[in-house]
Amino acid sequence: GAGVSQSPSNKVTEKGKDVELRCDPISGHTALYWYRQSLGQGLEFLIYFQGNSAPDKSGLPSDRFSAERTGGSVSTLTIQRTQQEDSAVYLCASSLVQSTNEKLFFGSGTQLSVL
Amino acid sequence: QKEVEQNSGPLSVPEGAIASLNCTYSDRGSQSFFWYRQYSGKSPELIMFIYSNGDKEDGRFTAQLNKASQYVSLLIRDSQPSDSATYLCAAQKGSSASKIIFGSGTRLSIRP
Repeated sequence: GAGVSQSPSNKVTEKGKDVELRCDPISGHTALYWYRQSLGQGLEFLIYFQGNSAPDKSGLPSDRFSAERTGGSVSTLTIQRTQQEDSAVYLCASSLVQSTNEKLFFGSGTQLSVL
Repeated sequence: QKEVEQNSGPLSVPEGAIASLNCTYSDRGSQSFFWYRQYSGKSPELIMFIYSNGDKEDGRFTAQLNKASQYVSLLIRDSQPSDSATYLCAAQKGSSASKIIFGSGTRLSIRP
């Protein structure tokens, strides 16, 4: 596709259930980011994939959160045993890494609601 | 201490005036800086990037960087109602291939 695609666009789940969020980056983009945005807040960094390097997982808030990127393309963010505080918009972004000007292209996000 | 800090606002500016948005960062290793605009309910979009000390101008937008003071700013001249949005400052450590950290954003409102 022409842009970053995220699915589902909305997810309502019950507390304690596991959820999987999917991100399909722009073809050829080597970098992929996951961010979380709570209502009225900024973007909280979660995880960063760059090519074949080990991912930077420093932003994952707990061991309930994990992410993988298969074949250097599609990424899945998994949240286990969801809690109400996990409710937020989860944004994925990809970029073609260039020196000094790494423009992020964002998907439309997944609105996660944990009841 | 947050890595990138911004005043949350809201910042209210009359139409036609200059809007000034400020950002500070804590990691002296940060080398590239970005301003993203986010309309309500939409995803962020890049409007400016800067990596050298001084000013960088693009149309009505000017980004300013002062590495000694660890300070980044965005000026919007001739503010328009369509500029009403949340502006997110971001910093990247190193020139590339490292994570980009965002501030909490400043909500800007342009009043007619």
